[in-house]
Amino acid sequence: AQSVTQLGSHVSVSEGALVLLRCNYSSSVPPYLFWYVQYPNQGLQLLLKYTSAATLVKGINGFEAEFKKSETSFHLTKPSAHMSDAAEYFCAVIDNQAGTALIFGKGTTLSVSS
Amino acid sequence: KAGVTQTPRYLIKTRGQQVTLSCSPISGHRSVSWYQQTPGQGLQFLFEYFSETQRNKGNFPGRFSGRQFSNSRSEMNVSTLELGDSALYLCASSLAQGQGYEQYFGPGTRLTVT
Repeated sequence: AQSVTQLGSHVSVSEGALVLLRCNYSSSVPPYLFWYVQYPNQGLQLLLKYTSAATLVKGINGFEAEFKKSETSFHLTKPSAHMSDAAEYFCAVIDNQAGTALIFGKGTTLSVSS
Repeated sequence: KAGVTQTPRYLIKTRGQQVTLSCSPISGHRSVSWYQQTPGQGLQFLFEYFSETQRNKGNFPGRFSGRQFSNSRSEMNVSTLELGDSALYLCASSLAQGQGYEQYFGPGTRLTVT
């Protein structure tokens, strides 16, 4: 069965610093992978998705993620953090056993200090 | 284009009662999925509807049910509420059923069971 593991429940960076949020997946078949962001008291917003077309995926708000099959990773990065990036981030994989159901990681809370 | 809307946004119920939550997908979207988000269990898939038929179901008791109407709007119902049902319930819509389709989330309904 598919699963995702997000390393680090909390990540703190300074404004302007590199953001790196880690996600490792487990899947016996080529996975569909996603990153979502959730701001307080809001739903989830899709940042980007990987569907095997390209290993480097660019998303919204300057975020990108690189799919590395050899490392079973799909880490999310942003070159320069903004205060507005403070939120909770979720990595997700499609559950191949259940249609289009998403299996989410536990989430990583990103804090950005000035 | 309007996003996914969910009503009500907040709800307080008493143990033993039942509750119905509503979700209106993005115009043109035909697939609707429901997720439960709690601090302890994170984000968990409840069920998915497409063309008025439940296509997939997560690992939740039968007290959780749903339906989809011909206009793609969906409702979920929880009967005999328990304290542990307190959660943020998120609805997501996608254009069709298929692993490559992005799911767009609504703001959620915050259910509190007392």
